[in-house]
Amino acid sequence: NAGVMQNPRHLVRRRGQEARLRCSPMKGHSHVYWYRQLPEEGLKFMVYLQKENIIDESGMPKERFSAEFPKEGPSILRIQQVVRGDSAAYFCASSPPGRGSSAEAFFGQGTRLTVV
Amino acid sequence: GESVGLHLPTLSVQEGDNSIINCAYSNSASDYFIWYKQESGKGPQFIIDIRSNMDKRQGQRVTVLLNKTVKHLSLQIAATQPGDSAVYFCAENLHTGANSKLTFGKGITLSVRP
Repeated sequence: NAGVMQNPRHLVRRRGQEARLRCSPMKGHSHVYWYRQLPEEGLKFMVYLQKENIIDESGMPKERFSAEFPKEGPSILRIQQVVRGDSAAYFCASSPPGRGSSAEAFFGQGTRLTVV
Repeated sequence: GESVGLHLPTLSVQEGDNSIINCAYSNSASDYFIWYKQESGKGPQFIIDIRSNMDKRQGQRVTVLLNKTVKHLSLQIAATQPGDSAVYFCAENLHTGANSKLTFGKGITLSVRP
């Protein structure tokens, strides 16, 4: 049973480009969480999604950031018109259905985004 | 406002000694606390958790203590090993209705001297 899979592991984008980060949850998991980690800091909650629904996006910046978790396929975190301040590690976590606590979630290895 | 923070940025211990990592939290409504370990280039790995109705929980070589009076959480690692070297995060979980999310502290680096 593969764990939470994130790709790419490393992503370099020029300012103004778009970044698309993908997360495939563990098999049987239907809840996905995205976190951002700046250097020397802890993880900041961004968004919590279930299949085809955004449950809590209170941690998402109001502009340029969006997330989806379609019925089929991975969850996508999309950052439009990236700026240098978007450079960070982005982690995805997933948890099984019926257990909406992110504390019972498993984390992926993260995508390290560098904006140049 | 809500915050979860760690008192010390780094901790260096001798292999075989016990390690104690401390954490303060400010949201008294949090009902669940977790310690994570993060090795370089990897995602956070669950170590141990504790619910707010408990004050101590033991795992294999690790113990978590919760003091709700002073909003303090600690992680004790017995007989620290080189493989314990990592960044450790405390996190608090707050349930609001059917939703919940983790709030993480900044992290402390544990360095084990041979």
